[in-house]
Amino acid sequence: GENVEQHPSTLSVQEGDSAVIKCTYSDSASNYFPWYKQELGKGPQLIIDIRSNVGEKKDQRIAVTLNKTAKHFSLHITETQPEDSAVYFCAASKGGGSNYKLTFGKGTLLTVNP
Amino acid sequence: EAGVTQFPSHSVIEKGQTVTLRCDPISGHDNLYWYRRVMGKEIKFLLHFVKESKQDESGMPNNRFLAERTGGTYSTLKVQPAELEDSGVYFCASSQDMGTGGVFGPGTRLTVL
Repeated sequence: GENVEQHPSTLSVQEGDSAVIKCTYSDSASNYFPWYKQELGKGPQLIIDIRSNVGEKKDQRIAVTLNKTAKHFSLHITETQPEDSAVYFCAASKGGGSNYKLTFGKGTLLTVNP
Repeated sequence: EAGVTQFPSHSVIEKGQTVTLRCDPISGHDNLYWYRRVMGKEIKFLLHFVKESKQDESGMPNNRFLAERTGGTYSTLKVQPAELEDSGVYFCASSQDMGTGGVFGPGTRLTVL
């Protein structure tokens, strides 16, 4: 089955700096890669996603890149703010048909210091 | 629109007892997923409903877990009898599109003593 590795497990940055979280996946058939942000006491919230026919996607301060050949994808947060502090999860899925379930990475605790 | 809701938010039970978790998906979402995060580990898929039918229950750990979705609306996940290793946070997610991860609920934190 699919396996997703996520690094680092913790990341501490100064406000205004950039943060990068990296994930690798094992199943070349995976074609959908969402990123979730989980704040304390809440469920994971989708912040950005990318499909395998796209190499990069950006939404304001957040961007995701995908390298299908190397089977890895990354989350980039620029100009970090204290409210970006949370646990971030990457996931992979074979979207479509009966292949829909998400395989998650173990999460990255991001701390943005004011 | 209202989000995915889960009840209860916390549950503390003793080993051997029964617990039922409930998930109310976003209205109109045919797809409903259950996931679980055991302490310190990744969020893992349990099962997937399409309306009232179980599409995939390959992630269910054993036959102590029973999920239902009567009428294709809300879903329940029953653990009977509960074991210590069942402790964790149980998430529910719903979506219209089968090829997306869906919207997650806040989770139910289950503690088995």
